[in-house]
Amino acid sequence: NAGVMQNPRHLVRRRGQEARLRCSPMKGHSHVYWYRQLPEEGLKFMVYLQKENIIDESGMPKERFSAEFPKEGPSILRIQQVVRGDSAAYFCASSPGQGSRNEQFFGPGTRLTVL
Amino acid sequence: GENVEQHPSTLSVQEGDSAVIKCTYSDSASNYFPWYKQELGKRPQLIIDIRSNVGEKKDQRIAVTLNKTAKHFSLHITETQPEDSAVYFCVPSGGSYIPTFGRGTSLIVHP
Repeated sequence: NAGVMQNPRHLVRRRGQEARLRCSPMKGHSHVYWYRQLPEEGLKFMVYLQKENIIDESGMPKERFSAEFPKEGPSILRIQQVVRGDSAAYFCASSPGQGSRNEQFFGPGTRLTVL
Repeated sequence: GENVEQHPSTLSVQEGDSAVIKCTYSDSASNYFPWYKQELGKRPQLIIDIRSNVGEKKDQRIAVTLNKTAKHFSLHITETQPEDSAVYFCVPSGGSYIPTFGRGTSLIVHP
């Protein structure tokens, strides 16, 4: 059973470009969380999705950021018109149930650098 | 939302010593208390968790104790080894959809 997959592992973008981050949850997991981590800080919740539904996006900026988890395919975190402050590691985690009541399995992360 | 505090922020010990990290939280509805370990440049991984109907859980050199009345739980690592060096996060949760990570404790084990 493959673990949580994320790609790309590293992404470099210039200011104003779009960044698209992908996350494939573990087989059988229908709950996906996205987090952002700045150096030497904890993980900040961004969005919680189930298949075809956004359950809670209260941690995600309302502008430029969007997320989806379609019926088929990976979950996508999309950042439009990136700025230098978007540089961070973005982790997704999947869970067989609600992640606040069950173990979360993390992907290796995508390290986004905005030039 | 949940307010989470971890202490200490940095902990330096000699190999073989014990290490204790404490996590305090605010949401009395929290009922799931995991600890995650994140090595440098790696993903967080669960090392131990406890639910609110249990006061203590042990797994080899690692243990977690919970005081629901005082709203804190602690990670105990005995006979520390250099490979225990990492950042440890507590994530008290269950009161809402959102797992709230503490800021982390950097544990350094000197050989």
